[in-house]
Formats: sequence, C-alpha cells, structure tokens
Amino acid sequence: DAMVIQNPRYQVTQFGKPVTLSCSQTLNHNVMYWYQQKSSQAPKLLFHYYDKDFNNEADTPDNFQSRRPNTSFCFLDIRSPGLGDAAMYLCATSRALPGQGEQYFGPGTRLTVT
Amino acid sequence: AQSVTQPDIHITVSEGASLELRCNYSYGATPYLFWYVQSPGQGLQLLLKYFSGDTLVQGIKGFEAEFKRSQSSFNLRKPSVHWSDAAEYFCAVAWNAGGTSYGKLTFGQGTILTVHP
Repeated sequence: DAMVIQNPRYQVTQFGKPVTLSCSQTLNHNVMYWYQQKSSQAPKLLFHYYDKDFNNEADTPDNFQSRRPNTSFCFLDIRSPGLGDAAMYLCATSRALPGQGEQYFGPGTRLTVT
Repeated sequence: AQSVTQPDIHITVSEGASLELRCNYSYGATPYLFWYVQSPGQGLQLLLKYFSGDTLVQGIKGFEAEFKRSQSSFNLRKPSVHWSDAAEYFCAVAWNAGGTSYGKLTFGQGTILTVHP
C-alpha cells in the first residue's frame, strides 16, 4: 500500500545533541510537510517542500532544519534540541494542487529530550 | 487571516448514541475543508473532505459532514458511535496564500471524544 513512513517511531535524545528524524513516502507526491504537535494541541506547520523548493514558516526556530534529497525522502534535523522541543513530529504529503490541501500523514515520531 | 474553531474541547457520548462535532471557520474565499481523526500516539487519518458540490459529504467509518456556507460551519456527524471512535478529531481548512503555499492547512484545536460503554 502507498503510504507515509516515519522512522524512528520513538526517539530519545539528550539536551543539545543533534537529532534527525526521517520520513519517506511511496505516494510520489510533490509536497512534503513537517509538523510539530505538542500534547493536547493542534499540529503546527514547521516547513514544507514543493519538489526541491523549501518553504519555511515565519515562526519556525532556526534550530529546525530540513533536507529533501529526492522525491521520496525528507529529513527533519534539530540542531540543538531543548526540553521545549519534546513533541510528536508528523510528516505529511500532498499533491501539488493549489489550495486543495488533502494531506496524508505518517504515524509520527515521538521525540523525548532528556 | 484564516482560522478554525472547534468550540468543544472534550465530548463524552455513550456507545450507540449519535454524535455531532462542531467546526466553524473564518476564511475569505471558498474553503477546502477536512476532518481528520487521531488516535493516541498516532498520525492523522483523513475522515472526509469538502472541495465543492454536494454540501453533505460522506466519509470513512460511517462519518458525514455538512458544509453550511451561511453559518461558516462544517460539522461532523455520526448516527451511532462505536467504542473504537474514541479519539481526537481535528477540523482543518486549506488555503493558498501564494504561489508556493499549496495546500497549507490551518487546524482547529481538536475535540477529544470519549465513548462510554
């Protein structure tokens, strides 16, 4: 089945130690998104890629970076995780159809910062 | 700016009872509307969507939603709730804020559904 896969499902890192989260998709979608979701909150968009074009949200901290080496893969890098970065990180994909926004989500990676 | 409001943070129903989750949006153009469901520790699953046409849309798991432009609402309904429907439900609206902003979603705060046996 076509899907969005996130690895690992659970990640524990130390305060200040760089961490990378991975997302892959078999849907061949142009657009890939990264969201941060804290407990009992709605997902918050960090950035998205349309093909290789990177689009950062204005309020995304510089501590968060992303890479998309090809259509299928996208990575979220947190350069120096703080305790406040502990959250669920969701990857999503969609077709490049303006305004429709139907997104397909992965299962998420739960990040713990110790 | 676009916004989505889910007035009910937490709803409790008995199994077999009917359900309605409310969603109101604020958006200056024709909205594209979605309901997603999230089980604990999981990603979001699309229940249904409205792009245009018939204002009553059917989704998966027996859910439906009705778009009412005059009320800026897109309420989710189910005639008979099952225990497995217990989850968090998010309403979302898609908007295009420029040439590169394809399908950016604005989510409501979510409604947690508890189902009593």
